[in-house]
Amino acid sequence: AQSVTQLDSQVPVFEEAPVELRCNYSSSVSVYLFWYVQYPNQGLQLLLKYLSGSTLVKGINGFEAEFNKSQTSFHLRKPSVHISDTAEYFCAVSRFISNFGNEKLTFGTGTRLTIIP
Amino acid sequence: EAQVTQNPRYLITVTGKKLTVTCSQNMNHEYMSWYRQDPGLGLRQIYYSMNVEVTDKGDVPEGYKVSRKEKRNFPLILESPSPNQTSLYFCASSSTKGLAGELFFGEGSRLTVL
Repeated sequence: AQSVTQLDSQVPVFEEAPVELRCNYSSSVSVYLFWYVQYPNQGLQLLLKYLSGSTLVKGINGFEAEFNKSQTSFHLRKPSVHISDTAEYFCAVSRFISNFGNEKLTFGTGTRLTIIP
Repeated sequence: EAQVTQNPRYLITVTGKKLTVTCSQNMNHEYMSWYRQDPGLGLRQIYYSMNVEVTDKGDVPEGYKVSRKEKRNFPLILESPSPNQTSLYFCASSSTKGLAGELFFGEGSRLTVL
């Protein structure tokens, strides 16, 4: 079984300040890791993903995340946020089973990022 | 334009009145899924489908039905809606079985059951 924990349900940040949204996962096998963003009144869209290789993953809109296997974390960061980054952010994990069948994507409970002008 | 289309976007109904939320994708994706989003609970999977005529339960399937008769469509059926099914529903699709790929989401259907 796998689970995802997003420790912060809400994160207020001043505009142009850096931000880190935390995500921890639990799984006994290798996983794929994702961050999705949901802007107000919209569906989710992929921000970035980690499948393998470099542990630092860059995504859209200046976001990046670092996979840390020893700490089972996949924290999302941005060095300088903008008003338009106001949204809800979801971390998700999918267990890798070598292209055999399917394993469902498990989402965290989300972190609401509010940018303060 | 590649998209996942859900209808209706908003619906208010009463307990016990059968309803269907349609979902259609134009990307020829094999994998489709339904999620419900509730405050503090994130997204929980209701049902998913690996391909035509292949469906399986997710985490919270009770009270829901699905069918996959065509590749592009994956309707969600509530045979006898109850107030605890008031929620925001999302349909999503993906081209890869192992979910290494991207999930494409519809814009959501907000359902209220009175």
